[in-house]
Amino acid sequence: NAGVTQTPKFQVLKTGQSMTLQCAQDMNHEYMSWYRQDPGMGLRLIHYSVGAGITDQGEVPNGYNVSRSTTEDFPLRLLSAAPSQTSVYFCASSRTSGRGNNEQFFGPGTRLTVL
Amino acid sequence: KQEVTQIPAALSVPEGENLVLNCSFTDSAIYNLQWFRQDPGKGLTSLLLIQSSQREQTSGRLNASLDKSSGRSTLYIAASQPGDSATYLCAVGSGNTGKLIFGQGTTLQVKP
Repeated sequence: NAGVTQTPKFQVLKTGQSMTLQCAQDMNHEYMSWYRQDPGMGLRLIHYSVGAGITDQGEVPNGYNVSRSTTEDFPLRLLSAAPSQTSVYFCASSRTSGRGNNEQFFGPGTRLTVL
Repeated sequence: KQEVTQIPAALSVPEGENLVLNCSFTDSAIYNLQWFRQDPGKGLTSLLLIQSSQREQTSGRLNASLDKSSGRSTLYIAASQPGDSATYLCAVGSGNTGKLIFGQGTTLQVKP
């Protein structure tokens, strides 16, 4: 199993550009989520999905869109990039979101710089 | 609002020492606690998951304990090695969203 994969690893954008960060998992996990990691702020939840076709907002959703058309993929879209979105983005997945054995697995991250 | 604190923020020890990393949380209504390791510029690697009904979990030289009533967890690393140098993060799972709330991490340096 490849686990959780993310592309690209690095990206530089100009203010106002749009892009999609890709995330895929091959573990047949129901639950997938996106976090951003910033110095002094730790990791914060952006959006999450409890299954194909179901998404919801996390703690810091503004400026980001998600969709979940398949179990495997959970892309994160930046609609109009801003310098405040410069961060490291991590995708995670777990078997479920409930109280069971829902160990979460993280991808290697995408390092995004917005100029 | 759940808050997770890790103390100390940084720790430097000589190789071979046994050490304890601390994690505290303000709301005991959690369903699990997970310890991660993060190497510089890398992603998070899951080390141990403790369900709310469990008191501890062990994996190799690592042992994590959980005391929900006092809002504390510890990660014990036995016979530390330079390869253990990394940032260790604890995260609690609570609520219905699957959201993890992370501490700021403890950066460990093990000197040869």
